Amino acid sequence: DVKVTQSSRYLVKRTGEKVFLECVQDMDHENMFWYRQDPGLGLRLIYFSYDVKMKEKGDIPEGYSVSREKKERFSLILESASTNQTSMYLCASSLWAGRPNEQFFGPGTRLTVL
Amino acid sequence: SQQGEEDPQALSIQEGENATMNCSYKTSINNLQWYRQNSGRGLVHLILIRSNEREKHSGRLRVTLDTSKKSSSLLITASRAADTASYFCATEGPTDSWGKLQFGAGTQVVVTP
Repeated sequence: DVKVTQSSRYLVKRTGEKVFLECVQDMDHENMFWYRQDPGLGLRLIYFSYDVKMKEKGDIPEGYSVSREKKERFSLILESASTNQTSMYLCASSLWAGRPNEQFFGPGTRLTVL
Repeated sequence: SQQGEEDPQALSIQEGENATMNCSYKTSINNLQWYRQNSGRGLVHLILIRSNEREKHSGRLRVTLDTSKKSSSLLITASRAADTASYFCATEGPTDSWGKLQFGAGTQVVVTP
């Protein structure tokens, strides 16, 4: 079974702090994704990556950056956390883009910015 | 941008009843997927239906797709308390690269014993 793990289940940070959210998948998937989930808004794509060192902006990239130095790891960085970034953050991976395939999700990180 | 919209937003049923939820989307798709999310957890993939398919079954799940109406439905038969969760539809479009999906806001289902 594919396993996607996220570094923290709960995180509390202060406004202005730099925040790192880590995601690791163990099934050699090409694609990795970062979403944020807010009530009533569903999942919104922040960034995704289709290969090591490759990244593409999603629908809401402002205030975020990402890093993918190794295939199994995809990091989301909040350069200067703000209260409107309080949210549930979900990481996902999928095998590759050449055919329809499902995304596998981590358990999520609930981030609170005070 | 949000592609799929689920209806209803919330659904409350008793064990043994069937639960039906709908998803409408705006642009053409390659496939449509349904996911389940238990409270405060990550999403779990349930079923994928391609644009050239009309119906698909998996256990107690039945998914239909009507591309002319740009809509899909998910039916859960003989529901159980363990089916209590939020259900999301997600679409992959012909111009979506790298397996990107557009998710709806979800239907929250509560199954009472």
